[in-house]
Amino acid sequence: QQQVKQSPQSLIVQKGGISIINCAYENTAFDYFPWYQQFPGKGPALLIAIRPDVSEKKEGRFTISFNKSAKQFSLHIMDSQPGDSATYFCAASTSGGYQKVTFGIGTKLQVIP
Amino acid sequence: DTAVSQTPKYLVTQMGNDKSIKCEQNLGHDTMYWYKQDSKKFLKIMFSYNNKELIINETVPNRFSPKSPDKAHLNLHINSLELGDSAVYFCASSQGQGFNEKLFFGSGTQLSVL
Repeated sequence: QQQVKQSPQSLIVQKGGISIINCAYENTAFDYFPWYQQFPGKGPALLIAIRPDVSEKKEGRFTISFNKSAKQFSLHIMDSQPGDSATYFCAASTSGGYQKVTFGIGTKLQVIP
Repeated sequence: DTAVSQTPKYLVTQMGNDKSIKCEQNLGHDTMYWYKQDSKKFLKIMFSYNNKELIINETVPNRFSPKSPDKAHLNLHINSLELGDSAVYFCASSQGQGFNEKLFFGSGTQLSVL
């Protein structure tokens, strides 16, 4: 049972384009939604995170859009660069108690020159 | 200085063997985790310890036994290895609970069971 559904599983974008990765969740108790970035041979690293009381969060070229009623959130990478090529994981957890982060299946992004 | 370090990075072994993976964090965090990443890159939590106490134990075969000698170390011992155990195992740590809790991952241990 996949509590956080992520799509697409792979994405090819031209340099300078916009990369969009979508996620949906089922558990309404989730109240923390981080995105992690993983380069080959490395562990995932936190990229950006959002709480459901805001609809958008932007950090540089990375933006999370959040739709609480639809239980969906997405990552937009503006002006995508070859250095952004990595696997991106959306995730969700509850902030009360010890955090158990549930990850999406991951999206392998390739930005081509 | 590596924040979360795990050894070995690669582990190749035969079915039926017993092996251990070690993890250490120098961030002063209270909570440590083991995650398993399968061949399709899916990341799933296995265990979590807070100050040496087991707090999360997902449905993992009891051949897997975590041990936390102190809050900076969390080791994973696997008995009677099976082909299906082949995966990348990530150690992670975090401080506290709640919204600002950020997971710091090690670089992973790629386990191949032949």
